[in-house]
Amino acid sequence: GNSVTQMEGPVTLSEEAFLTINCTYTATGYPSLFWYVQYPGEGLQLLLKATKADDKGSNKGFEATYRKETTSFHLEKGSVQVSDSAVYFCALSPISGNTPLVFGKGTRLSVIA
Amino acid sequence: SAVISQKPSRDICQRGTSLTIQCQVDSQVTMMFWYRQQPGQSLTLIATANQGSEATYESGFVIDKFPISRPNLTFSTLTVSNMSPEDSSIYLCSTEGRNEQFFGPGTRLTVL
Repeated sequence: GNSVTQMEGPVTLSEEAFLTINCTYTATGYPSLFWYVQYPGEGLQLLLKATKADDKGSNKGFEATYRKETTSFHLEKGSVQVSDSAVYFCALSPISGNTPLVFGKGTRLSVIA
Repeated sequence: SAVISQKPSRDICQRGTSLTIQCQVDSQVTMMFWYRQQPGQSLTLIATANQGSEATYESGFVIDKFPISRPNLTFSTLTVSNMSPEDSSIYLCSTEGRNEQFFGPGTRLTVL
């Protein structure tokens, strides 16, 4: 079946540190891949996405590259800020669009000044 | 993009009672999804609701416990019936877009 595995949290970093949150997936075919972010007290927001192999999604300084050979979609940011403190969810859509997402367990990031 | 609102945003309920959560989308959509996010956990899909047909429930979720209505293309409700403390969660409404899913702000339910 389809599944997403992401690194366990919580992750605590100092401001301006480099961030990597690992995400690997299992799926048949060619899924679309997503990172969603949930800020404290808010709903989920799409952070970035990639729909095919070697695509790079990017937004707000975050990047993730769709690696089919390693079935991975790791989230990276070169310099985190306190405002990046949130829970990050990796997810896949088994068929591009119009199907419910399969989510990883989420990784809580805390950035301290 | 789709803008989704949910009501109530939060509630505290007594065990044995029921709560109906409303989800409103600002545009017509075919499919709507209901998720549950238990404390510290990821999102689990409860059911998929298409307008004009019965909702499709995921393994572990049943219609008697989580009845869903989908009267039109912009609105859906999820009822959490005969609640117990184990039902304390955030319940999220979601809909599909162009290669993306949009989520409502969630309803934070606490059952005492």
